[in-house]
Amino acid sequence: DQQVKQNSPSLSVQEGRISILNCDYTNSMFDYFLWYKKYPAEGPTFLISISSIKDKNEDGRFTVFLNKSAKHLSLHIVPSQPGDSAVYFCAASHNNAGNMLTFGGGTRLMVKP
Amino acid sequence: EADIYQTPRYLVIGTGKKITLECSQTMGHDKMYWYQQDPGMELHLIHYSYGVNSTEKGDLSSESTVSRIRTEHFPLTLESARPSHTSQYLCASSESTFGYTFGSGTRLTVV
Repeated sequence: DQQVKQNSPSLSVQEGRISILNCDYTNSMFDYFLWYKKYPAEGPTFLISISSIKDKNEDGRFTVFLNKSAKHLSLHIVPSQPGDSAVYFCAASHNNAGNMLTFGGGTRLMVKP
Repeated sequence: EADIYQTPRYLVIGTGKKITLECSQTMGHDKMYWYQQDPGMELHLIHYSYGVNSTEKGDLSSESTVSRIRTEHFPLTLESARPSHTSQYLCASSESTFGYTFGSGTRLTVV
């Protein structure tokens, strides 16, 4: 039973355009959400997070939107750059589970020059 | 600058060998984790620890074992490596709600 799902295994975007990566979750207890970026042969690095008390968090070119009623969050990257090409993992946690992260399956983003 | 270190970065070993993958962190985090990831696949939790002398198995069954004798050190051991153990192994640590810090990973190939 996958509690965090990223239904698009890959996404291709032109440089300069917006990239939108989606993530759905089923556990209503989740109260904190994160996005990680991973290059091949490296560990994931933290990108941006959002608490369930907010519906938007912005950091430079990256914005995360949270729709609690739909149990859906999305990561927007604008403008997209070739260096953004990587695998992006969505993750969720809740305080009652010791804040252990549950990861989605990842989406491979390819930004074409 | 990395505060969590994994060694080796790459390892190729023969079937049946015993290996230990090292993971150390300098942040004083109580919680540490081992994940396994195959290319293009999701992260699978194989072991975790919430403190010294505390270890638990994760969601994915693994033939590996871990130990946590010191806060900063969380090594993973395979007693007898097999080709099915070929994968990338990622170590992470955390505190409270601020997510995980991952190491650079060990890419293991068993031939």
